[in-house]
Amino acid sequence: KAGVTQTPRYLIKTRGQQVTLSCSPISGHRSVSWYQQTPGQGLQFLFEYFSETQRNKGNFPGRFSGRQFSNSRSEMNVSTLELGDSALYLCASSPSLGADEKLFFGSGTQLSVL
Amino acid sequence: GEDVEQSLFLSVREGDSSVINCTYTDSSSTYLYWYKQEPGAGLQLLTYIFSNMDMKQDQRLTVLLNKKDKHLSLRIADTQTGDSAIYFCAERSGGSYIPTFGRGTSLIVHP
Repeated sequence: KAGVTQTPRYLIKTRGQQVTLSCSPISGHRSVSWYQQTPGQGLQFLFEYFSETQRNKGNFPGRFSGRQFSNSRSEMNVSTLELGDSALYLCASSPSLGADEKLFFGSGTQLSVL
Repeated sequence: GEDVEQSLFLSVREGDSSVINCTYTDSSSTYLYWYKQEPGAGLQLLTYIFSNMDMKQDQRLTVLLNKKDKHLSLRIADTQTGDSAIYFCAERSGGSYIPTFGRGTSLIVHP
């Protein structure tokens, strides 16, 4: 089975631009979560999608948004980029929702905002 | 909110045992996890323990849970250079699908 695939691997943008990141979960997984990883803050939860619906949302401004498609693939969008948005964005999938579900992570998209 | 704390760095000699510690605050934590992140990669689930267990062993890995003190540890026996990575502790309570992660411990293995 292929793992979680995130594209692109690297992105360089300038302040004020917007960006879209893509995540393809493991086949059969219906839940997709997004995390922002920075050296100072560690892993911060962005949002979680299941069956095309956002089920949980972290404490991020409205510039961060996402969606999930019927094939469980997910995208996240960041508008009006700020320097502080530079981070590794990780996507994780799991078969379903539930506290006993294990997360499987992609390799991430490294976003640099100049 | 709930918190998970880890020390930032650990340096060990190849062949020695490594012990990475983690404390958490959520007394309703039901699942506790250890993830490994190698350079340029995402997080890989190493092992997990359910809160009604005290210990779990998986080859070179031993997880110890002290629920009273809310303390979790990961012991890596016979540490190798390939074990050099960042190790994340995470906890998940029964009422939430969202795990809380620590900031990670960078394990450096030197010859």
